[in-house]
This record gives sequence, structure tokens and C-alpha cells, in this order.
Amino acid sequence: RKEVEQDPGPFNVPEGATVAFNCTYSNSASQSFFWYRQDCRKEPKLLMSVYSSGNEDGRFTAQLNRASQYISLLIRDSKLSDSATYLCVVSRTGFQKLVFGTGTRLLVSP
Amino acid sequence: NAGVMQNPRHLVRRRGQEARLRCSPMKGHSHVYWYRQLPEEGLKFMVYLQKENIIDESGMPKERFSAEFPKEGPSILRIQQVVRGDSAAYFCASSPEQKGEKLFFGSGTQLSVL
Repeated sequence: RKEVEQDPGPFNVPEGATVAFNCTYSNSASQSFFWYRQDCRKEPKLLMSVYSSGNEDGRFTAQLNRASQYISLLIRDSKLSDSATYLCVVSRTGFQKLVFGTGTRLLVSP
Repeated sequence: NAGVMQNPRHLVRRRGQEARLRCSPMKGHSHVYWYRQLPEEGLKFMVYLQKENIIDESGMPKERFSAEFPKEGPSILRIQQVVRGDSAAYFCASSPEQKGEKLFFGSGTQLSVL
């Protein structure tokens, strides 16, 4: 079993739609949680950290459920530029040693 | 202020040759991390280095792979006697401190083994 599991997708949505991704992790010792974005095999870029209280950054909302060991990302009012692969990332040691999921691919169409 | 610089961007090697991948961290960063992304897979941690020290190499294959981060110059990931299964994107990241707020990734080196 992979330490971080994600639905690979792709999720095909029209512009303006709301889309949600979930991710589960198996290591209960995980302390830090993130969503990264990766475009066409380029370098991953930090989208946002995820906190137990939930956090929002513009159109993006992230939630963490420690009891169920899952993390979610909600994207509202999807833009064409949101098309990318979204990587769920966990760590036991902050940024020192990140464990990446294989990613969920999002395609936003006009 | 240049970001994390990796070179070459693309590297083609024949089976049995050596591959050297270079990473210059961001200015002021003393922590370097190497990750590998195989086709259709997530990034996998390989090694974490500070200047002249290997801190965690738990993700490095036991043979043929080595990494260094000398006092002067870039960090080097070295793969000896490459095999087709080494074909992957190798990403380097740097941070200013061990538990920094953010890792900055380089653009990666795509290694293709013929």
C-alpha cells in the first residue's frame, strides 16, 4: 500500500466549476501536510500548507481530517490555468523529507 | 536572485555509462534534497545533504548512486553504470534551514538511458 493515495483522475471540468480532490495517508505519525501543483513534468510548486483547522487561499480551500487520515483540496470557480496535476504531500519532519502522492490530474475546459 | 539551478536539463546516457547531475541551491540555502520521479509515479525522496555532510540517505539505492555537497560548488548526484530503469526526472530542492517554511525546487534533470 502506498503511503499517500490519490485518485489519478483526470478530472475534466468546465470553467467556473467547483472541483474537490481527496487524498489519504497511511502513516499516523505524519505531522505536516501540503498540496503541491505540478505542470507537465516541471518542478512541483507549493500550492498551500494544510492545517487541522482548515485553511483558505483565494479560490483554494484545504482541509485535514487526522482521525480519518485524509486531506482534501477544493477549487472554486475553476480557471483554464488551474489545469495541472495536484500532488498531495505529507511529512513526519516538516519539509525535510516529503512523501508525495502520484497526483490527481485536473483538466479545465472552456 | 536566481532560484535553484539544475543542469543539465536533459541528459542522455547509454547503459553502463555514468551520469552526473548538478544542483546549485538558492543563495543563502545550505540544505539540499534530491528527489526522483519515475514515469507515472510520484516524487520519491532520495537524499538530504548539508554542506559536506549527508544527513539522510535512506531513499538512495544501495548501489551505483552517490551524492555530495562540497564546501564549494554545487551538489552532485552521481549514478554509475546507468541502467534503463534509472530513466527519470531528478529534482533538487533547497531550503535555508532544516525545518524551513518552504522547499524551493529546481526545474529538474530528465535522464534518459538508451
